[in-house]
Amino acid sequence: EDKVVQSPLSLVVHEGDTVTLNCSYEVTNFRSLLWYKQEKKAPTFLFMLTSSGIEKKSGRLSSILDKKELSSILNITATQTGDSAIYLCAVATGGGSEKLVFGKGMKLTVNP
Amino acid sequence: DTGVSQDPRHKITKRGQNVTFRCDPISEHNRLYWYRQTLGQGPEFLTYFQNEAQLEKSRLLSDRFSAERPKGSFSTLEIQRTEQGDSAMYLCASSVGPGTPLFGSGTQLSVL
Repeated sequence: EDKVVQSPLSLVVHEGDTVTLNCSYEVTNFRSLLWYKQEKKAPTFLFMLTSSGIEKKSGRLSSILDKKELSSILNITATQTGDSAIYLCAVATGGGSEKLVFGKGMKLTVNP
Repeated sequence: DTGVSQDPRHKITKRGQNVTFRCDPISEHNRLYWYRQTLGQGPEFLTYFQNEAQLEKSRLLSDRFSAERPKGSFSTLEIQRTEQGDSAMYLCASSVGPGTPLFGSGTQLSVL
């Protein structure tokens, strides 16, 4: 069965800290890995990664995929209280399926 | 607002009643997905449409669940004879082809 595991599941930091979120996967077919941020209801898209070793950046957020290790990390530097959210990692499985397989999510709390 | 729209935002129902949710995807998005999310878990795939054709269904989608997308635009998800275990957030997402799915704010269902 396809599986996505995120760690840690929760983290509390102070403003200005740097955090690293981990995501590992075990799927039959891999097409891409996606990161979403979920603040209240709608998960909002952050990154899609398909190629190993190529970092994607958006402001203080960056992410990279390691296909050899079947994993990805999401880094957030100089955290702000507005970064408090649940961060979801998902794998697009392909192979005739269009579903995303999600991890449980990581709850980040940034205290002032 | 040009995002994915879901209605209602909240639904409280009694066990055994039928409920129907609506999703309006982003205009021109030909793919539409339904996911279910319970507290502390990531979203779980339910079903996927390409235009009006339902192309994939999860085994999570029991006989009490039915989804339609009659004209390839909006979609409805109906749950018949609701059970307490159906209480969850029902999320809809849409995409252009195999592009990144973008999510709506969801319908929170509470079955009493």
